[in-house]
Amino acid sequence: SAVISQKPSRDICQRGTSLTIQCQVDSQVTMMFWYRQQPGQSLTLIATANQGSEATYESGFVIDKFPISRPNLTFSTLTVSNMSPEDSSIYLCSVSQRADPTGELFFGEGSRLTVL
Amino acid sequence: QQQVKQSPQSLIVQKGGISIINCAYENTAFDYFPWYQQFPGKGPALLIAIRPDVSEKKEGRFTISFNKSAKQFSLHIMDSQPGDSATYFCAAAPSGGYNKLIFGAGTRLAVHP
Repeated sequence: SAVISQKPSRDICQRGTSLTIQCQVDSQVTMMFWYRQQPGQSLTLIATANQGSEATYESGFVIDKFPISRPNLTFSTLTVSNMSPEDSSIYLCSVSQRADPTGELFFGEGSRLTVL
Repeated sequence: QQQVKQSPQSLIVQKGGISIINCAYENTAFDYFPWYQQFPGKGPALLIAIRPDVSEKKEGRFTISFNKSAKQFSLHIMDSQPGDSATYFCAAAPSGGYNKLIFGAGTRLAVHP
């Protein structure tokens, strides 16, 4: 398994500001992902964080709104830019250790953002 | 076609009873079906998973039943315990993309003593 630490665990933000969420893993992992879980709802994949290259975004998510970095095999950041109340969600970092895409997903505890 | 439909939205079961959560999918390219358990304030954790080459998989009190022709799968929790109270998500992924999961809407299970 992998131990995933996310910071901040929660934050209250003002409309129009940006916030960066950090994801640190205790071991090198092949794949890192960012998911969004809106209050009381399911999880939606935002993007795959690629080491050394631009993230791969899912339909409905764009780099200008959710810029992602992944400088190495244990760390990634997700920025939520120009926030609005609709961005109030839990943002989850997820990792897979396997070198192929069949690996089990492990999730962090999430970062709960409230935008006023 | 990318959706996974999950029901019920919430479920109350007495201790010792059987909890049953159902999911259905449309995309025949899906071939990996995991269930995740999420406690309040925690991230989801893999509970049990199945591939369509088997119709049932059991791990302890947790069983997945899979009906390929109906494109449905379900989670059965036998002898449900208060500690099982959590939100359960079914999910699906296409071949070779097990870590790009499509999640169901979730079922909030409450097991009463």
